[in-house]
This record gives sequence, C-alpha cells and structure tokens, in this order.
Amino acid sequence: QVQLQQSGAELVKPGTSVKLSCKASGYTFTSNHMNWIKQTTGQGLEWIGIINPGSGGTSYNVKFKGKATLTVDKSSSTAFMQLSSLTPEDSAVYYCARSPWELDYWGQGVMVTVSS
Amino acid sequence: DIRMTQSPASLSASLGETVNIECLASEDIYSDLAWYQQKPGKSPQLLIYNANSLQNGVPSRFSGSGSGTQYSLKINSLQSEDVATYFCQQYNNYPRTFGGGTKLELK
Repeated sequence: QVQLQQSGAELVKPGTSVKLSCKASGYTFTSNHMNWIKQTTGQGLEWIGIINPGSGGTSYNVKFKGKATLTVDKSSSTAFMQLSSLTPEDSAVYYCARSPWELDYWGQGVMVTVSS
Repeated sequence: DIRMTQSPASLSASLGETVNIECLASEDIYSDLAWYQQKPGKSPQLLIYNANSLQNGVPSRFSGSGSGTQYSLKINSLQSEDVATYFCQQYNNYPRTFGGGTKLELK
C-alpha cells in the first residue's frame, strides 16, 4: 500500500535551516508528483510547492520562494524539503502529499518549532 | 491566486442528519476540486476529487457536486466518526489553494 513516511519533529533555532524528508513506498516513486503543504492554526493549509521526482522539475508558491527548496533522491524514493533562514513564523506542521492531481496520499506530518 | 471561500466555518449537527458544506472559488476551476477530511492530530484524507468522484474506500454517504465556481460536500446520515474538519482545495491552477476549513461537531 502507498505510504509516505516523514522524518521526526524538529526544534530549531531562528536563522538556521532544516531539511525534512518524506520516504515513499508502495508505488513507483517517479510516477507521481510530490507536494509539500504547511499547516498552522492561524493560516490553515498553505501549498508550498511541487516536485516531479522523475525530472526534478519544481514549481513553488511565490510566498515560499527563497524559503523552501524541494529535492528528491530517486535511489531511496525520498523527497526532501529544506527550509532556510527560519523564523518563528515558520513554526508549523509540514506535510508531504502525493498527487496525480488531487492529493491522494499524505504523510503523517512533521512539527517544526522555531525557537531560541 | 485563486481564493477558495468555504462556509460555514463551523457546524453543529445531530447523528443521522444531512450536512452540507460549501466552497466558492474566485474564478472558474472547471471541477478541479477536492475535499479532504482531517481528524484531530491526523493528516488530511482525500474524500472527493474532480468535484464529484468518491475516493476508494470512502463511505457512500459522502458526495460532492458543483461546477464553475460553486461546489459543495454533502454528508448523509451523519455518523460519530464524521466529526472532523473538512477542507476544499483547487488544483486547476498554481499555486494550489485551500479553503479555510469547516469544523463539524455533534450537537
């Protein structure tokens, strides 16, 4: 069955970076795009961007350009999102989600807390 | 960006009741709309895609309808396990955008 297993919770300091992972299993990794979504209580769900694991091609929400960088490692069927120059406003739960078009499978989410 | 306006923001209903949730897009999204259910502490789960197609394994009491800019999610015969927050999302254009959510509680 399709599974997206995300890395564990992160507590990071302002100004630093963090790299989140999302390991896919149960399907051909390169056959579906991977999305990343941010969820906060105040802002709800925000789509960060999408990567084509086959080509490495990406598309970002303008709001997250310069903040998020999406990559993949095809050999391990893992998608990554690096968040840079972290501020408290980046504290959130981050999800990876597979898409044909709709988001049909989601990871369990990872909580990122930015605090000194 | 396409704005997705979801209503109501919260809803209280009784077991067995029928519930409707609305989603209004700021422009035509040509039925490129999905509905998700999120229970506390869990990730969202896909219920409906292409505005009216039921995802595999989702109970048939859930249904979606609409076209153009107006869409709705209907839950027939509300069950206790349906208590959750529901989101709509458009995938007609980038960036993908979500509605603000509807929190459904039992009366």
